[in-house]
Amino acid sequence: ETGVTQTPRHLVMGMTNKKSLKCEQHLGHNAMYWYKQSAKKPLELMFVYNFKEQTENNSVPSRFSPECPNSSHLFLHLHTLQPEDSALYLCASSQVVGGRAFFGQGTRLTVV
Amino acid sequence: DQQVKQNSPSLSVQEGRISILNCDYTNSMFDYFLWYKKYPAEGPTFLISISSIKDKNEDGRFTVFLNKSAKHLSLHIVPSQPGDSAVYFCAASARDNYGQNFVFGPGTRLSVLP
Repeated sequence: ETGVTQTPRHLVMGMTNKKSLKCEQHLGHNAMYWYKQSAKKPLELMFVYNFKEQTENNSVPSRFSPECPNSSHLFLHLHTLQPEDSALYLCASSQVVGGRAFFGQGTRLTVV
Repeated sequence: DQQVKQNSPSLSVQEGRISILNCDYTNSMFDYFLWYKKYPAEGPTFLISISSIKDKNEDGRFTVFLNKSAKHLSLHIVPSQPGDSAVYFCAASARDNYGQNFVFGPGTRLSVLP
């Protein structure tokens, strides 16, 4: 139990579907992140939110749309994804940006 | 260009022996380094960290060594146990530069053989 919870754990979606990934942390952290881990690739930082404000977008395609309504919740809205977007999507949080990050268990996404 | 490198994609060690995982970095601004352990289909879990003002940090069976001049750090696990079999990620950040995020290495898969 890391204090960061992601739902769902597994998701299969078609290329025309719209779905959302949810992340919740009750650690009192101010920074939240979305990472993508594809097979045989390093962890890729996608988005960073600091005090609910997006501070980084690492050239992520617009079919991925993050939302941070408050400092405890982070969403990743997905639409018209491609099969190559299939990966493990990890949420993390830290007290401050660059501080020790706590990760959720991830959502295994399969796009068919 | 990878700022954090883990040149060994995999490592096999006999149970009870020492496991040494290596990590090299290129950005001299990095001042905080962490090791994470990851099992399949789970998120990474924090293992141990070290600040650039230190050259060694120890926590139980895990010790991290930092050689700033060589821009190299290593994780020693002794004695290694089968439950240590996982992928280990090295990560680095520049905490003094507020807003600098972690950069992760590609990971090393450790297999501890019984």
